[in-house]
Amino acid sequence: DADVTQTPRNRITKTGKRIMLECSQTKGHDRMYWYRQDPGLGLRLIYYSFDVKDINKGEISDGYSVSRQAQAKFSLSLESAIPNQTALYFCATSDSTVSSYNEQFFGPGTRLTVL
Amino acid sequence: GQQLNQSPQSMFIQEGEDVSMNCTSSSIFNTWLWYKQDPGEGPVLLIALYKAGELTSNGRLTAQFGITRKDSFLNISASIPSDVGIYFCAGRTSGTYKYIFGTGTRLKVLA
Repeated sequence: DADVTQTPRNRITKTGKRIMLECSQTKGHDRMYWYRQDPGLGLRLIYYSFDVKDINKGEISDGYSVSRQAQAKFSLSLESAIPNQTALYFCATSDSTVSSYNEQFFGPGTRLTVL
Repeated sequence: GQQLNQSPQSMFIQEGEDVSMNCTSSSIFNTWLWYKQDPGEGPVLLIALYKAGELTSNGRLTAQFGITRKDSFLNISASIPSDVGIYFCAGRTSGTYKYIFGTGTRLKVLA
């Protein structure tokens, strides 16, 4: 079984709809992240969480919110989706107790299309 | 936001050839990571580099942490068809846990 899972893997929605993307991990890592990938722009950080009570904005948090329901679960919400939020979304984890270098491990991604 | 410059953007090579790609930054980094992304999948960590001048191998892959600490290089020797994918670098500056990602090098291998 995959260590980091994301649901759904693909989603098509309409402008104005509320969307939730979910991420679960069995790696036991304390830190979790949400990234967005657009062609030619690499990965950009949306939000990150260093533990259940810690939530931090990344470089492109506008229009997004997150919830860390448990150490193993981190969800990303688009309150009112807009077409320029069409992208590939990745969840990642890292373990601060093993490495101070914060190497990150990624889920398989969710492809979101907003019409 | 800040981005790393990664080159080349894409490359077509013949099976068996060696491949080189690099990333450069205006910032000094303390850690460099190299990832590979297969179509429809998330990035997979290939190599991690922790100090300037470090040279680390993972099978046919070799990566180096540049002496200036502003660049890193990835080489793939004797490429095979399964090397196809997008290769990303990521760098981290001192005092932060966040990584900045390069824009990726798309590699295509012709059999």
